[in-house]
Amino acid sequence: GAVVSQHPSRVICKSGTSVKIECRSLDFQATTMFWYRQFPKQSLMLMATSNEGSKATYEQGVEKDKFLINHASLTLSTLTVTSAHPEDSSFYICSARFFMLDEQFFGPGTRLTVL
Amino acid sequence: GNSVTQMEGPVTLSEEAFLTINCTYTATGYPSLFWYVQYPGEGLQLLLKATKADDKGSNKGFEATYRKETTSFHLEKGSVQVSDSAVYFCALSLRGGSEKLVFGKGTKLTVNP
Repeated sequence: GAVVSQHPSRVICKSGTSVKIECRSLDFQATTMFWYRQFPKQSLMLMATSNEGSKATYEQGVEKDKFLINHASLTLSTLTVTSAHPEDSSFYICSARFFMLDEQFFGPGTRLTVL
Repeated sequence: GNSVTQMEGPVTLSEEAFLTINCTYTATGYPSLFWYVQYPGEGLQLLLKATKADDKGSNKGFEATYRKETTSFHLEKGSVQVSDSAVYFCALSLRGGSEKLVFGKGTKLTVNP
């Protein structure tokens, strides 16, 4: 099946710094990518939807200036957590839409820890 | 609003036991329903789906039937294997599998030999 990768898989940073997470579709072109956040023992919560070449659409309650999303190409989307704080510590998961199959393919996730 | 409730885990079974993981939903409109599986260290994978009432999704011995009257989509397997150990997520979408998904909290299944 289609493969989606995320990098890094784990990151630890100091409070106040910015962290960039990459999401790549390895063997297909993804016109749409989704970013989810998962807290321990909680469900995945959609943060934003990004379409290649256009601005991301953020879900209610998600700060767009805090979580910057760039979808510069059909195979790469990035999520930048700006001025990270301990409450931003979480598991971030991306998915990519393969339109021909009406299905999302998920990356393995990135564990962010802010000290 | 739209939401998914699935049984809390963890669930621990012996090999060849029968598995049921309950999932109920609340939705405006007529959602498509999904089960995703996440093996350790990997991303979520679509296990099965159903797009309308009374549809049965099936894959790898797992089955789930879209029950509109009870707003449920319970996952079942007649005989689990150790390799089925994973976290299972129930989800819905109002616009198909490539659009916004609403997930349950996930149920961790451990199958012992």
